[in-house]
Amino acid sequence: QVQLVESGGGLVKPGGSLRLSCAASGFTFSDYYMSWIRQAPGKGLEWVSYMSSSGSTIYYADSVKGRFTISRDNAKNSLYLQMNSLRAEDTAVYYCARGGAWGQGTLVTVSS
Amino acid sequence: DIQMTQSPSSLSASVGDRVTITCQASQDISNYLNWYQQKPGKAPKLLIYDASNLETGVPSRFSGSGSGTDFTFTISSLQPEDIATYYCQQYYNLPWTFGQGTKVEIK
Repeated sequence: QVQLVESGGGLVKPGGSLRLSCAASGFTFSDYYMSWIRQAPGKGLEWVSYMSSSGSTIYYADSVKGRFTISRDNAKNSLYLQMNSLRAEDTAVYYCARGGAWGQGTLVTVSS
Repeated sequence: DIQMTQSPSSLSASVGDRVTITCQASQDISNYLNWYQQKPGKAPKLLIYDASNLETGVPSRFSGSGSGTDFTFTISSLQPEDIATYYCQQYYNLPWTFGQGTKVEIK
């Protein structure tokens, strides 16, 4: 079955960088678009970024545009999110998603 | 961006009660709507897709209806394990947007 496992979260200072990874299994990764969605502590859900199956089409939420970069390696069945210039408001659990199937999430905390 | 207005923000009901949550889109989204269940500390779980289709393995007490701008999610007979927060989500176009969530508690 579809399995998505995120990693790479942690504590980072404001202005710092972090790279999240999502390892996919149980389906043909290269056939599917993928997304990142986040949830700040105690808050609702916010879509962050989208990448098409080939990687040719990319979208970002305005809140992260210019700071975050989504990428994928179809040979490694992996999705990535490079996060630069991190702010306190980026603190959240970040989920990797293929349509309605989500990973367990990885926590990113931005604090000095 | 399409705004999704979900109500109520919380509700308390007894075991066996019928529970209804509504979600209104700021523009026509056809039937491009998901409903998710999220339990504390867990990832959201897809229950309903395309507004009214039950995801495989999801109990039949959960249902969804609607199209265009107005949608309804129903639990026909609330069970203790249904305690969670429920979210609607439109995927008509990007940015995908979510309702604010409805926290369901047992009375």
